[in-house]
Order: sequence, then C-alpha cells, then structure tokens
Amino acid sequence: QKEVEQNSGPLSVPEGAIASLNCTYSDRVSQSFFWYRQYSGKSPELIMSIYSNGDKEDGRFTAQLNKASQYVSLLIRDSQPSDSATYLCAVRLVFGQGTRLTINP
Amino acid sequence: GAGVSQSPRYKVAKRGQDVALRCDPISGHVSLFWYQQALGQGPEFLTYFQNEAQLDKSGLPSDRFFAERPEGSVSTLKIQRTQQEDSAVYLCASSLPGTTEQYFGPGTRLTVT
Repeated sequence: QKEVEQNSGPLSVPEGAIASLNCTYSDRVSQSFFWYRQYSGKSPELIMSIYSNGDKEDGRFTAQLNKASQYVSLLIRDSQPSDSATYLCAVRLVFGQGTRLTINP
Repeated sequence: GAGVSQSPRYKVAKRGQDVALRCDPISGHVSLFWYQQALGQGPEFLTYFQNEAQLDKSGLPSDRFFAERPEGSVSTLKIQRTQQEDSAVYLCASSLPGTTEQYFGPGTRLTVT
C-alpha cells in the first residue's frame, strides 16, 4: 500500500461546478498536509496547507482534513478552465501520484 | 523576489556519464529538498538539508546519487555513472525554517541515452 494514495483520474468537471479531490494516507502520526497544483510541463505550486482537523478555506479552495479517517480533500468551487491541472496531495514530504483534473467549458 | 532556480533546465547524458544538477534556493530558506519525478508520477523524495546539514537522505536510490550543500545555500545533486532509469525531472524545493511548505524550482529534465 502506498503511503499517500490519490485517484489518478482523469476527473472531468463542467465549468462553474465544484471539483472534489481526495487523498488517503497511511501514517497516523502525520501532522502536515499539502495540496499542490502542477500544470503540464511545469513544477508543483503550493495552493493549500492544513495542519488540524476540519476545513480551511482560501478563496475558491477549501481543504478538509480528517485525521481519524486519514483522509484529506480539496474542493474547488466555481471551477474554471484554468484550474485544469494535476493536483498533488502531500503528507509532509511524501507525495501521491496526483489526480488529473479537466474543467470543461 | 527571486524564486528557486535550477540549472541546467535540460541535460542529455550518455549512459555511464556523471552529471551535476544545481539548485539555488529562495534567499532566507534554510531547508532544501530534492525530488525525482518520473512521467505521470508524483515527486519522490530524495534528500533534505537544513542549512549545510543533510538531515535525511533516505530517498536516494543508490550510492550513485550524492547531494551536497557545503555553505548552506546552493546545493548540487550529483549522479555518477548514469543509467537509463535515472531519466526523470529532478526538482528542488526550499522552505522557511520550521515548515515543509515547499516552493519548487522549475526542475531539470535529465535524459540518459
């Protein structure tokens, strides 16, 4: 079992809808969780960090953390075509394989 | 301000050659990380420095891989006797003290022929 697991997708969402990305992890003592966005041919860009249970909102992005269930999710509201990218979940220094998201105009 | 820079951006090496990849972190970022990213995969951790100290090198895949950061700023990842399986993008990231919120450089794409 991989330490950080994501559905590789592709996930296709219509423009304006909510995109929901999920990630599970195996290390129960993990304390720091991140979402990165990676456009094709580019390097990862940090978009959200979360350290405690619950929700954290930043603009159109909401990160959700549930340590008891060992999952972290990212919601993107009012999805735009420019949100089309691969989203990487990271638990401290360990990355998942990424979920490819496509927003359809 | 300037972000993380890496050089070269692209490197083609013949199998068996040695290569050196350079990373210049954001000024003031004491932590520096190296990752290897294969096509279609997430970044795989290689090694981590805090200032000049290499605190974790558990991800280095073999003793052909060596990293250094002698003055606590610029870092070099060296790969000796390159093999085809070393072909990947090598990413460098840096962060402020006490956090692993990482800022990535543009990466070096290594192709071993």
